Amino acid sequence: GIQVEQSPPDLILQEGANSTLRCNFSDSVNNLQWFHQNPWGQLINLFYIPSGTKQNGRLSATTVATERYSLLYISSSQTTDSGVYFCAVEGTQGGSEKLVFGKGTKLTVNP
Amino acid sequence: DGGITQSPKYLFRKEGQNVTLSCEQNLNHDAMYWYRQDPGQGLRLIYYSQIVNDFQKGDIAEGYSVSREKKESFPLTVTSAQKNPTAFYLCASSNQGVREKAFFGQGTRLTVV
Repeated sequence: GIQVEQSPPDLILQEGANSTLRCNFSDSVNNLQWFHQNPWGQLINLFYIPSGTKQNGRLSATTVATERYSLLYISSSQTTDSGVYFCAVEGTQGGSEKLVFGKGTKLTVNP
Repeated sequence: DGGITQSPKYLFRKEGQNVTLSCEQNLNHDAMYWYRQDPGQGLRLIYYSQIVNDFQKGDIAEGYSVSREKKESFPLTVTSAQKNPTAFYLCASSNQGVREKAFFGQGTRLTVV
């Protein structure tokens, strides 16, 4: 099945800093989504972005499907951005519609 | 408010006991999913359902069972055959027809005592 690798596994920032999180995937995809898991375990969907670029406030994401990677940018980070960021993809092979998750990037933003 | 509701938030199970986790959505989504998350790990798919009365095994279905009798409900039973059930369980739903965003419930933390 499709493989998803996220980097870095851990990231520590000072408030106000910018960061880039990366997601590599092993095959072509129909679907790519970024999620933020807060310290209480709730997953919030940030972007649905199988290709192209999207922005939502301080967050933006770019997926280059032909090169099989996606980037999540966080600008002017805040302590509330802390948590784990997951990339999830649905491959084009096999005909099944299910999301495969990477292991996540744990972000800690210090005041 | 529209959303996905999981209950209970915390659940304790004795050895050899079956337990059922509830997942209800009022988003009118066709597809529903159950994931398991272990500490420091990503999410692994247990079962998913794209339509009422139909469901498929995910990557780690052994020791689990599901039903999909209603569009809005997708309960997960953790059976005694699941040897290591302590984990965080997350339910999700999406409108697969147009491949929209997936939305998650708040999760159920299951502990074997």
